[in-house]
Amino acid sequence: DAGVIQSPRHEVTEMGQEVTLRCKPISGHDSLFWYRQTMMRGLELLIYFNNNVPIDDSGMPEDRFSAKMPNASFSTLKIQPSEPRDSAVYFCASTAEGWITGELFFGEGSRLTVL
Amino acid sequence: AQTVTQSQPEMSVQEAETVTLSCTYDTSESDYYLFWYKQPPSRQMILVIRQEAYKQQNATENRFSVNFQKAAKSFSLKISDSQLGDAAMYFCAYSTSGTYKYIFGTGTRLKVLA
Repeated sequence: DAGVIQSPRHEVTEMGQEVTLRCKPISGHDSLFWYRQTMMRGLELLIYFNNNVPIDDSGMPEDRFSAKMPNASFSTLKIQPSEPRDSAVYFCASTAEGWITGELFFGEGSRLTVL
Repeated sequence: AQTVTQSQPEMSVQEAETVTLSCTYDTSESDYYLFWYKQPPSRQMILVIRQEAYKQQNATENRFSVNFQKAAKSFSLKISDSQLGDAAMYFCAYSTSGTYKYIFGTGTRLKVLA
C-alpha cells in the first residue's frame, strides 16, 4: 500500500502569494494530521481531522491558514497570503482511530520557502 | 501539561558501536505511549520503536531497544551495532492513551562515523 502522499515536495513563492499543500492519507485511515516543523519551534500540530471533520484546529497560527478535508482521501492546507515566517516543512500524517496513540504514518513533507 | 525533553542536540557514534539517546518526559497520566521516530535526510518521519506505559518489559526491534524507567519518566533509545544508515534526527514522542495529541521532543541528531 502506498504511504501518505504529499505534494508539492518543494515550494518557493513570494510573500503575499497563495500556497496550497496537498495530502493523500493512507487508504482506510480515518485520522489525519497537519504538522509544521521549524528549527525554532520543532514539530507543531496545526490541525487534526477525524472522519473528514476538523476536531482540533487550535494549532493553526492565524486566519491566513486554512485546512480542508473534502473526502477521506484528500486534504489541503492553504496559506493566503503567505509570509516569510511561514517558511517551514509541512507534514501530513495519518492513522486509524483504533490505533490512536499508535503509529503515526508521515508523508515526506512539503518544504515551503516564502521570499 | 505533558512535556518531552531531549537534552542531547547531537550525538556521534562509531560504526558498529552502541549509542544511547536520552529522553525524559513529564506527565501526570498513568496510561500513555512513548515513541522514537527517525527522520533521515529524506525528511520522512519513520517509527523506530513504541512502548506502552503499562508494559514493564522494554520494547525491542532488532538493533533498537529502549530503557523505559516509568518512575523516573525516562525513555532512552539504544542502538546496537550502529550502521551508516542510522544517521538521522531522532525524535522522542509521547501520547496519552485515547487522545490524538502527540508531543514531540526537539530531536537528537545522530552522526555515524565510518
